[in-house]
Amino acid sequence: EPEVTQTPSHQVTQMGQEVILRCVPISNHLYFYWYRQILGQKVEFLVSFYNNEISEKSEIFDDQFSVERPDGSNFTLKIRSTKLEDSAMYFCASSERPSGANVLTFGAGSRLTVL
Amino acid sequence: DQQVKQNSPSLSVQEGRISILNCDYTNSMFDYFLWYKKYPAEGPTFLISISSIKDKNEDGRFTVFLNKSAKHLSLHIVPSQPGDSAVYFCAARGTGGYNKLIFGAGTRLAVHP
Repeated sequence: EPEVTQTPSHQVTQMGQEVILRCVPISNHLYFYWYRQILGQKVEFLVSFYNNEISEKSEIFDDQFSVERPDGSNFTLKIRSTKLEDSAMYFCASSERPSGANVLTFGAGSRLTVL
Repeated sequence: DQQVKQNSPSLSVQEGRISILNCDYTNSMFDYFLWYKKYPAEGPTFLISISSIKDKNEDGRFTVFLNKSAKHLSLHIVPSQPGDSAVYFCAARGTGGYNKLIFGAGTRLAVHP
């Protein structure tokens, strides 16, 4: 069954450092998303991406965050200067189309720990 | 932003009995509702959805009920199995465009043998 792949599974970084989280969405999917879940809290939307541009972003997705699809397969989330409160599980998701139930397929997540 | 609420953080059920997970929402413009299941160290996986024009959708042991007037939906699992033990997230989708899914805080279901 097709799956969304995320790397790394766990990254530990020092506050102020840049972090890049990588995702390989399902190959025929056209819509890509990043969500995050701080420990014990709900899954929060960060950003959606379609046709090589951001289609929607949340208040969390400030200037420290950026997304990119550098080639035909990878979708990356960059955090320019990490803060302690960026520690969370980051989930990448993709979908074929946003209409209908818009079932998102999620990856297993990348756990980011900022020290 | 509390548009989707799951007020029960946890639920414990005996194997073979019914599990009922509840979800409330505030935005009447949501047009689809989805349930996702999440095991530790894994991403959420899609379970079942319902359109806002329906009041029930069934898939095997899983049934979702929607009460639009009360802005309430519920997921019924019958019969519950130990493998159903996971965190269940209710999610809602708005209309048009590239609308994101908005998730509730989740309910941890424990099914005991």
